[in-house]
Amino acid sequence: DAGVIQSPRHEVTEMGQEVTLRCKPISGHDYLFWYRQTMMRGLELLIYFNNNVPIDDSGMPEDRFSAKMPNASFSTLKIQPSEPRDSAVYFCASTPDPQGGYWYGYTFGSGTRLTVV
Amino acid sequence: AQSVTQLDSQVPVFEEAPVELRCNYSSSVSVYLFWYVQYPNQGLQLLLKYLSGSTLVKGINGFEAEFNKSQTSFHLRKPSVHISDTAEYFCAVSDSRDDKIIFGKGTRLHILP
Repeated sequence: DAGVIQSPRHEVTEMGQEVTLRCKPISGHDYLFWYRQTMMRGLELLIYFNNNVPIDDSGMPEDRFSAKMPNASFSTLKIQPSEPRDSAVYFCASTPDPQGGYWYGYTFGSGTRLTVV
Repeated sequence: AQSVTQLDSQVPVFEEAPVELRCNYSSSVSVYLFWYVQYPNQGLQLLLKYLSGSTLVKGINGFEAEFNKSQTSFHLRKPSVHISDTAEYFCAVSDSRDDKIIFGKGTRLHILP
């Protein structure tokens, strides 16, 4: 398996533009997580899905952020409109296990570095 | 609610010296504990985990961690570090009530020549 695949690796956009980040989890992993990493706030959980259904979106900063998982092999995180404070590295992770991926752990993608100017 | 505290944001250590990275957690129920490592410009990788049983757990790359319930700690140790251990290390916790894990803010390990 190629692991968790995220695209693009880098994204530079102007304030106010729409940004879409993409993630392909490992086949058979029922749980998918979106995290944001910044120097100031560390790793923040934005939202997670179980079997394509959003379970907890309490970490989504505001209505400008939305996430979808139309099928088991694809998820998107959209920011509209983007703002400079959204600049961060966004990670997608997947696992086959409940309870924090207690047996296999999480498999992370390589991340998308977003810069909003 | 569960939480994780990593007491040191950065730890410098000389090559071949031992290192300990500290982690304390809080939770009202039984927990699972994890250490993840993030090498530069990469995602996180699972280093080791504690689920139950023996309080000393061994992971990849010679790392080990000890679960101490009375002190609510899960410190990570390595007897002799190498330059390749330069990375950021994250402690994380989950419990039986939830499917998500909470990460600490991370500790950057700097290996000095």
